[in-house]
Amino acid sequence: DAKTTQPPSMDCAEGRAANLPCNHSTISGNEYVYWYRQIHSQGPQYIIHGLKNNETNEMASLIITEDRKSSTLILPHATLRDTAVYYCIVPTALIQGAQKLVFGQGTRLTINP
Amino acid sequence: EAQVTQNPRYLITVTGKKLTVTCSQNMNHEYMSWYRQDPGLGLRQIYYSMNVEVTDKGDVPEGYKVSRKEKRNFPLILESPSPNQTSLYFCASSRTTVRSTNEKLFFGSGTQLSVL
Repeated sequence: DAKTTQPPSMDCAEGRAANLPCNHSTISGNEYVYWYRQIHSQGPQYIIHGLKNNETNEMASLIITEDRKSSTLILPHATLRDTAVYYCIVPTALIQGAQKLVFGQGTRLTINP
Repeated sequence: EAQVTQNPRYLITVTGKKLTVTCSQNMNHEYMSWYRQDPGLGLRQIYYSMNVEVTDKGDVPEGYKVSRKEKRNFPLILESPSPNQTSLYFCASSRTTVRSTNEKLFFGSGTQLSVL
């Protein structure tokens, strides 16, 4: 099962685009990439996910490289409320056929005024 | 509003006093799970349930019990809490569990437990 690597921390100026990278070089062809974030001690919040095509929703955009070994989460106009820990996750398979999300240390994104 | 509801939000107890943290979802989700979060260790899965009456251990199940008698509820039971179970707990649910299906997890707002 694929593991992910993220920088431990990043800074971004308010109003600018925040680009958060993630490496998942061992991802399999049918595995999705998910992004969640956790603001302070709140429950993690789903942001976006994708398989091979770029995805966009009201929160963010997800750019997945053609070889699928890395991806970038883009927050187009970061605000102070986007300060959080961002997790890039490729689900881990369980024997029973289920999947679970393994949360690593993530990237602590700080948006500066 | 679709949500996962945990109660209580904060709980202080003493060693050995049995407690239950409740979790309920209103989305008719099959899959439910409990996580604990500790500084430097991230979120770790305690137990999960793939459907009613189907539960299984996660990565750190020792000292915990769960039950899934109804689809919407998935309580976490600490029969004899100890100080090392002081942690922030999250319940989560998703529609199904099938691998490689695009299913997202919905999380509750957390329960901060302190065992003295």
